[in-house]
Amino acid sequence: DADVTQTPRNRITKTGKRIMLECSQTKGHDRMYWYRQDPGLGLQLIYYSFDVKDINKGEISDGYSVSRQAQAKFSLSLESAIPNQTALYFCATSDGGRYNEQFFGPGTRLTVL
Amino acid sequence: GDSVTQMEGPVTLSEEAFLTINCTYTATGYPSLFWYVQYPGEGLQLLLKATKADDKGSNKGFEATYRKETTSFHLEKGSVQVSDSAVYFCALGVQAAGNKLTFGGGTRVLVKP
Repeated sequence: DADVTQTPRNRITKTGKRIMLECSQTKGHDRMYWYRQDPGLGLQLIYYSFDVKDINKGEISDGYSVSRQAQAKFSLSLESAIPNQTALYFCATSDGGRYNEQFFGPGTRLTVL
Repeated sequence: GDSVTQMEGPVTLSEEAFLTINCTYTATGYPSLFWYVQYPGEGLQLLLKATKADDKGSNKGFEATYRKETTSFHLEKGSVQVSDSAVYFCALGVQAAGNKLTFGGGTRVLVKP
Protein backbone atom coordinates (compact mmCIF):
# COMPACT_ATOMS: atom_id res chain seq x y z
CA ASP A 1 0.00 0.00 0.00
CA ALA A 2 1.12 3.54 -0.75
CA ASP A 3 2.57 5.50 2.17
CA VAL A 4 0.96 8.80 1.11
CA THR A 5 -2.48 8.68 -0.47
CA GLN A 6 -4.61 11.42 -1.94
CA THR A 7 -8.31 11.48 -2.75
CA PRO A 8 -9.77 12.12 -5.20
CA ARG A 9 -7.20 11.53 -7.95
CA ASN A 10 -9.17 13.56 -10.44
CA ARG A 11 -11.91 16.13 -9.96
CA ILE A 12 -13.81 18.43 -12.29
CA THR A 13 -15.87 21.15 -10.67
CA LYS A 14 -17.50 24.46 -11.46
CA THR A 15 -16.59 27.97 -10.48
CA GLY A 16 -17.86 28.87 -7.01
CA LYS A 17 -18.06 25.34 -5.68
CA ARG A 18 -16.39 24.27 -2.45
CA ILE A 19 -13.86 21.48 -2.90
CA MET A 20 -11.91 19.41 -0.39
CA LEU A 21 -8.82 17.41 -1.24
CA GLU A 22 -7.69 14.84 1.28
CA CYS A 23 -4.30 13.42 2.16
CA SER A 24 -3.49 10.49 4.43
CA GLN A 25 -0.13 9.03 5.37
CA THR A 26 1.06 5.89 7.09
CA LYS A 27 4.69 6.97 7.46
CA GLY A 28 4.21 8.33 10.97
CA HIS A 29 5.63 11.71 9.95
CA ASP A 30 4.80 14.89 11.83
CA ARG A 31 5.24 17.28 8.92
CA MET A 32 2.77 17.53 6.05
CA TYR A 33 2.63 19.87 3.06
CA TRP A 34 0.32 20.88 0.23
CA TYR A 35 1.77 22.01 -3.10
CA ARG A 36 0.31 22.93 -6.44
CA GLN A 37 2.05 22.23 -9.72
CA ASP A 38 1.55 24.35 -12.80
CA PRO A 39 3.40 23.68 -16.06
CA GLY A 40 6.79 25.38 -16.08
CA LEU A 41 6.45 26.70 -12.54
CA GLY A 42 7.56 23.71 -10.55
CA LEU A 43 5.84 23.19 -7.22
CA GLN A 44 4.59 26.04 -5.11
CA LEU A 45 3.91 25.60 -1.40
CA ILE A 46 0.33 26.36 -0.34
CA TYR A 47 0.28 25.37 3.35
CA TYR A 48 2.37 23.27 5.68
CA SER A 49 1.96 21.78 9.12
CA PHE A 50 4.73 20.69 11.47
CA ASP A 51 2.32 18.99 13.87
CA VAL A 52 -1.41 18.77 14.56
CA LYS A 53 -1.51 22.17 16.29
CA ASP A 54 0.81 23.96 13.89
CA ILE A 55 -0.48 25.32 10.55
CA ASN A 56 1.48 27.74 8.40
CA LYS A 57 0.85 29.60 5.17
CA GLY A 58 3.10 28.96 2.22
CA GLU A 59 3.83 31.07 -0.83
CA ILE A 60 0.36 30.95 -2.38
CA SER A 61 -2.22 30.41 0.38
CA ASP A 62 -4.84 32.91 -0.83
CA GLY A 63 -8.07 31.13 -1.78
CA TYR A 64 -7.13 27.99 0.14
CA SER A 65 -7.57 26.68 3.68
CA VAL A 66 -6.38 23.54 5.43
CA SER A 67 -7.29 21.30 8.31
CA ARG A 68 -4.96 18.91 10.16
CA GLN A 69 -7.44 16.46 11.62
CA ALA A 70 -4.83 14.06 12.97
CA GLN A 71 -1.15 13.35 12.58
CA ALA A 72 -1.96 11.22 9.56
CA LYS A 73 -4.51 13.47 7.83
CA PHE A 74 -4.18 16.87 6.20
CA SER A 75 -6.97 18.30 4.04
CA LEU A 76 -6.91 21.19 1.59
CA SER A 77 -10.08 23.17 0.85
CA LEU A 78 -10.97 25.59 -1.89
CA GLU A 79 -13.86 27.57 -0.41
CA SER A 80 -15.01 28.97 -3.74
CA ALA A 81 -13.13 27.46 -6.64
CA ILE A 82 -12.03 29.62 -9.57
CA PRO A 83 -10.59 28.55 -12.96
CA ASN A 84 -7.03 29.66 -12.20
CA GLN A 85 -6.96 27.06 -9.42
CA THR A 86 -6.94 24.40 -12.10
CA ALA A 87 -3.71 22.53 -11.39
CA LEU A 88 -2.14 19.35 -10.09
CA TYR A 89 -2.09 19.25 -6.28
CA PHE A 90 0.41 17.23 -4.26
CA CYS A 91 0.54 16.32 -0.63
CA ALA A 92 3.92 15.52 0.94
CA THR A 93 5.20 14.37 4.31
CA SER A 94 8.51 14.60 6.14
CA ASP A 95 9.94 13.44 9.45
CA GLY A 96 11.59 16.82 9.89
CA GLY A 97 15.04 15.33 9.94
CA ARG A 98 18.07 17.45 9.29
CA TYR A 99 17.75 17.28 5.50
CA ASN A 100 13.96 17.18 5.35
CA GLU A 101 13.49 14.58 2.65
CA GLN A 102 9.88 14.82 1.56
CA PHE A 103 7.67 11.95 0.38
CA PHE A 104 4.95 12.76 -2.10
CA GLY A 105 1.49 11.42 -2.81
CA PRO A 106 0.38 10.61 -6.37
CA GLY A 107 -1.39 13.94 -6.87
CA THR A 108 -4.91 15.20 -7.51
CA ARG A 109 -5.72 16.72 -10.87
CA LEU A 110 -8.29 19.46 -10.31
CA THR A 111 -10.12 21.21 -13.14
CA VAL A 112 -12.31 24.22 -12.38
CA LEU A 113 -14.65 25.13 -15.23
CA GLY B 1 14.58 34.96 -1.06
CA ASP B 2 15.56 31.46 -2.04
CA SER B 3 15.19 30.40 -5.66
CA VAL B 4 16.13 27.60 -8.03
CA THR B 5 16.63 27.96 -11.76
CA GLN B 6 16.87 24.98 -14.06
CA MET B 7 17.02 24.63 -17.79
CA GLU B 8 13.74 24.53 -19.59
CA GLY B 9 12.77 21.46 -21.53
CA PRO B 10 11.80 19.43 -23.15
CA VAL B 11 15.09 17.67 -23.61
CA THR B 12 14.87 14.94 -26.22
CA LEU B 13 17.63 12.33 -26.40
CA SER B 14 18.33 9.01 -27.98
CA GLU B 15 18.90 5.96 -25.82
CA GLU B 16 22.49 5.70 -24.48
CA ALA B 17 23.09 9.43 -24.92
CA PHE B 18 24.63 11.62 -22.21
CA LEU B 19 22.22 13.74 -20.19
CA THR B 20 22.94 16.99 -18.40
CA ILE B 21 20.32 19.17 -16.71
CA ASN B 22 21.62 22.45 -15.37
CA CYS B 23 20.50 23.79 -11.99
CA THR B 24 21.62 26.94 -10.20
CA TYR B 25 20.35 28.37 -6.95
CA THR B 26 20.30 31.37 -4.67
CA ALA B 27 19.83 30.88 -0.95
CA THR B 28 20.01 33.05 2.13
CA GLY B 29 21.36 30.22 4.26
CA TYR B 30 23.45 27.15 3.64
CA PRO B 31 21.15 24.83 1.72
CA SER B 32 20.85 21.14 1.15
CA LEU B 33 20.25 20.34 -2.51
CA PHE B 34 18.00 17.72 -4.06
CA TRP B 35 16.94 16.26 -7.36
CA TYR B 36 13.44 14.83 -7.52
CA VAL B 37 12.01 12.83 -10.43
CA GLN B 38 8.38 12.62 -11.51
CA TYR B 39 7.43 9.70 -13.75
CA PRO B 40 4.24 10.01 -15.81
CA GLY B 41 1.13 9.92 -13.65
CA GLU B 42 3.05 9.73 -10.40
CA GLY B 43 4.16 11.98 -7.57
CA LEU B 44 7.70 13.16 -7.04
CA GLN B 45 10.39 10.80 -5.78
CA LEU B 46 13.72 11.78 -4.32
CA LEU B 47 16.44 10.86 -6.81
CA LEU B 48 19.53 12.11 -4.98
CA LYS B 49 20.71 14.73 -2.53
CA ALA B 50 23.82 16.55 -1.31
CA THR B 51 24.08 18.32 1.98
CA LYS B 52 27.36 20.24 1.86
CA ALA B 53 29.80 21.73 -0.60
CA ASP B 54 31.65 19.25 -2.85
CA ASP B 55 29.31 16.41 -1.86
CA LYS B 56 28.30 14.19 -4.75
CA GLY B 57 24.86 12.63 -4.71
CA SER B 58 24.28 9.55 -6.83
CA ASN B 59 21.51 7.07 -7.56
CA LYS B 60 20.37 4.92 -10.50
CA GLY B 61 23.34 6.08 -12.58
CA PHE B 62 22.56 9.76 -12.00
CA GLU B 63 25.06 12.07 -10.31
CA ALA B 64 25.13 15.67 -9.14
CA THR B 65 27.87 17.59 -7.31
CA TYR B 66 27.19 20.45 -4.90
CA ARG B 67 29.27 23.36 -6.22
CA LYS B 68 29.18 26.22 -3.76
CA GLU B 69 31.51 28.45 -5.78
CA THR B 70 29.19 28.38 -8.78
CA THR B 71 25.96 27.83 -6.77
CA SER B 72 25.14 24.90 -9.01
CA PHE B 73 23.92 21.32 -8.75
CA HIS B 74 23.84 19.95 -12.29
CA LEU B 75 22.35 16.50 -12.89
CA GLU B 76 24.19 14.06 -15.18
CA LYS B 77 23.78 10.55 -16.47
CA GLY B 78 26.21 8.90 -18.82
CA SER B 79 23.85 6.63 -20.74
CA VAL B 80 20.11 7.23 -20.55
CA GLN B 81 17.40 4.65 -21.09
CA VAL B 82 13.83 5.01 -22.29
CA SER B 83 12.73 4.43 -18.69
CA ASP B 84 14.48 7.67 -17.67
CA SER B 85 11.81 9.67 -19.48
CA ALA B 86 10.34 11.87 -16.75
CA VAL B 87 10.27 15.38 -15.35
CA TYR B 88 13.25 16.27 -13.15
CA PHE B 89 13.08 18.92 -10.42
CA CYS B 90 15.98 20.57 -8.66
CA ALA B 91 15.20 21.78 -5.13
CA LEU B 92 16.85 23.33 -2.11
CA GLY B 93 16.07 23.32 1.58
CA VAL B 94 17.52 25.65 4.21
CA GLN B 95 17.47 24.46 7.80
CA ALA B 96 17.02 27.97 9.16
CA ALA B 97 13.82 28.27 7.10
CA GLY B 98 12.35 25.14 8.62
CA ASN B 99 13.78 23.15 5.74
CA LYS B 100 10.87 24.00 3.47
CA LEU B 101 11.77 23.02 -0.06
CA THR B 102 12.05 25.50 -2.92
CA PHE B 103 11.67 23.88 -6.34
CA GLY B 104 12.84 24.78 -9.80
CA GLY B 105 10.38 24.75 -12.69
CA GLY B 106 11.16 21.19 -13.76
CA THR B 107 12.77 19.82 -16.91
CA ARG B 108 10.96 17.26 -19.02
CA VAL B 109 13.24 14.61 -20.51
CA LEU B 110 12.14 12.33 -23.31
CA VAL B 111 14.38 9.42 -24.29
CA LYS B 112 13.66 7.79 -27.63
CA PRO B 113 14.68 4.23 -28.50
